[in-house]
Amino acid sequence: GAVVSQHPSRVICKSGTSVKIECRSLDFQATTMFWYRQFPKQSLMLMATSNEGSKATYEQGVEKDKFLINHASLTLSTLTVTSAHPEDSSFYICSAWPGLAGLETQYFGPGTRLLVL
Amino acid sequence: KQEVTQIPAALSVPEGENLVLNCSFTDSAIYNLQWFRQDPGKGLTSLLLIQSSQREQTSGRLNASLDKSSGRSTLYIAASQPGDSATYLCAVIKPWGIYGGSQGNLIFGKGTKLSVKP
Repeated sequence: GAVVSQHPSRVICKSGTSVKIECRSLDFQATTMFWYRQFPKQSLMLMATSNEGSKATYEQGVEKDKFLINHASLTLSTLTVTSAHPEDSSFYICSAWPGLAGLETQYFGPGTRLLVL
Repeated sequence: KQEVTQIPAALSVPEGENLVLNCSFTDSAIYNLQWFRQDPGKGLTSLLLIQSSQREQTSGRLNASLDKSSGRSTLYIAASQPGDSATYLCAVIKPWGIYGGSQGNLIFGKGTKLSVKP
């Protein structure tokens, strides 16, 4: 149980285009979904938190107009990188949290590797 | 600001050895601490979660300890196998309401890349 999927697993795009990444909890409802990114040899860093039906909360330094997050249902969250640039190339990972206060781990997706040319 | 450090950054051992991975954090006001493994190009698999009131957790050949007062955790792997080769990440979980921002937010270290040679 507790499987989280991400699509696509890998994407290459041209600079200036937008890329959408989907995160789905397959067998549970996720009260909250988190989006992280990981640059080479760096820590996973939280970008934003999304609760179903409400606006995402972004971490300091993350541009909300560039990284659009939609959490339209309890099983799906999307991250759209708008007007992508080479510096956005990174590994993006989502996680889903079932919502039991402090007692449940987050379940992570397999990640999406984005390369912007 | 909470910072998580993992030492060593990389470790190579022969199969069968017991080993210890270290994690330290700067602010002892954590909710939980969690150890993950990450395989190349893949997501994270949770290994052990230690709640702040606990001192250790065990699962199979893995044992994780937590000393909040000193800001340290260790992951002990017994009788290592080639299949244990991966990057091991330590993450502390912010307590709610103190730092603001998101609930259940994880702050990760950079990881220890483990290679177990057959």
